[in-house]
Amino acid sequence: DAKTTQPPSMDCAEGRAANLPCNHSTISGNEYVYWYRQIHSQGPQYIIHGLKNNETNEMASLIITEDRKSSTLILPHATLRDTAVYYCIVRESNFGNEKLTFGTGTRLTIIP
Amino acid sequence: ETGVTQTPRHLVMGMTNKKSLKCEQHLGHNAMYWYKQSAKKPLELMFVYNFKEQTENNSVPSRFSPECPNSSHLFLHLHTLQPEDSALYLCASSRGTATDTQYFGPGTRLTVL
Repeated sequence: DAKTTQPPSMDCAEGRAANLPCNHSTISGNEYVYWYRQIHSQGPQYIIHGLKNNETNEMASLIITEDRKSSTLILPHATLRDTAVYYCIVRESNFGNEKLTFGTGTRLTIIP
Repeated sequence: ETGVTQTPRHLVMGMTNKKSLKCEQHLGHNAMYWYKQSAKKPLELMFVYNFKEQTENNSVPSRFSPECPNSSHLFLHLHTLQPEDSALYLCASSRGTATDTQYFGPGTRLTVL
């Protein structure tokens, strides 16, 4: 079972920042937070991941709360091509846990 | 373009057919995965290969038979499928297992008639 809770859908205006929340209140100390997105009928695309520090790359920023029970993915200037389902996943760092357990994600729609 | 390719992109087959899905990764990774995504359901892990050895079979029916001849190629052989096996089949690869990031191919859309 997925260990995360996300809103089923969100809208964001084109050009604005899209902030996607994720709750993972049962996360343990050795679990990473991963974000993927899936554009309709394509394979999931890796976005970013982190353990406890905030992370930023060319696609997005990941803000993890100090208690690590929730996080927010930020797309700083959303475009129409960012319309997709966004998945927040917690994943153990122990060897042998190869699974990415996908939940139902958040369907983000960018409005022109 | 993630460096993981899958062929064919679309496949329609009858329940008595035998077909194979192919995945190739150009990333120098050692681990490869098959996932299934049915309509309105989350992705489900099917198989994991690490250094050509199968390390996980997630209770997948025997009508699905994986093959990993080397670290760059992964096949999924299909035989006597059912209509409920219609789904998007996704291949992924990672440098190792554990926390290494998985990169996905575009998927094969399979329809079983």
